Amino acid sequence: DAKTTQPPSMDCAEGRAANLPCNHSTISGNEYVYWYRQIHSQGPQYIIHGLKNNETNEMASLIITEDRKSSTLILPHATLRDTAVYYCIVRVPNTGNQFYFGTGTSLTVIP
Amino acid sequence: KAGVTQTPRYLIKTRGQQVTLSCSPISGHRSVSWYQQTPGQGLQFLFEYFSETQRNKGNFPGRFSGRQFSNSRSEMNVSTLELGDSALYLCASSPGTVTGELFFGEGSRLTVL
Repeated sequence: DAKTTQPPSMDCAEGRAANLPCNHSTISGNEYVYWYRQIHSQGPQYIIHGLKNNETNEMASLIITEDRKSSTLILPHATLRDTAVYYCIVRVPNTGNQFYFGTGTSLTVIP
Repeated sequence: KAGVTQTPRYLIKTRGQQVTLSCSPISGHRSVSWYQQTPGQGLQFLFEYFSETQRNKGNFPGRFSGRQFSNSRSEMNVSTLELGDSALYLCASSPGTVTGELFFGEGSRLTVL
C-alpha cells in the first residue's frame, strides 16, 4: 500500500515555481522518497529521489523536512510540458523495484 | 542510448484468450519490472525479474506470469483473459542497483472484449 498522501490536484502559472507537497508520516529511517511523473498516455518518468538531505537535479529540487515526515517537490520554472500526474513514493528497502505509486497529484500548468 | 521498447503497443483480445507482451530493456540494465495501470486501481506492481530470476511479485492471480531471457528481454503472459484485464501494461528497466531509478516504456494497451 502507498505510504504517502498527496493533494489530488494543483494548478500553477507558467513560469512560476510549482511546489508539490507529499506527506509520509510513517516513513522509516532507511526508506527513500522518490518522485515520478506521468504525462498523459506515456510511461512514468523518474524525477528525483532522496533519503534525508535536500536534493537537486536538472529537473527539480526535493526538500525533505528534518523529521522526514513530509517532502516537497519543486519545479522552479513550470512550463506547459510539466502538466502531468506527479507521484510521491516511499520505497521500502529489500523490495527491489516494487514501487507503490498511489494516486498522485495532477498538476496543471496554466498559460 | 535506446530506451525501453514494448511490443505490441496496442492489442485487442477476447475473453478466455491469452496474450504475451514483450519488453526490451535499456542496454546493460538487468532488472525488468512490469506494472498494470487501470483507471480504477492506478499503477500496480506485477513482478520484477533480475538476471532471469523473479525477484518480487505483486498481488495478482497466477494467470499473470512472466519470464526474463539471458539478454534481459522480458515477456509477460496473461492467460484466460477477463474483461478486467483491460489495461495499460508498463515495463520498466533498471540497472538493478539498490537506489536505481526506473525507466519506463510507453506501454502495451490491452483491450479485452
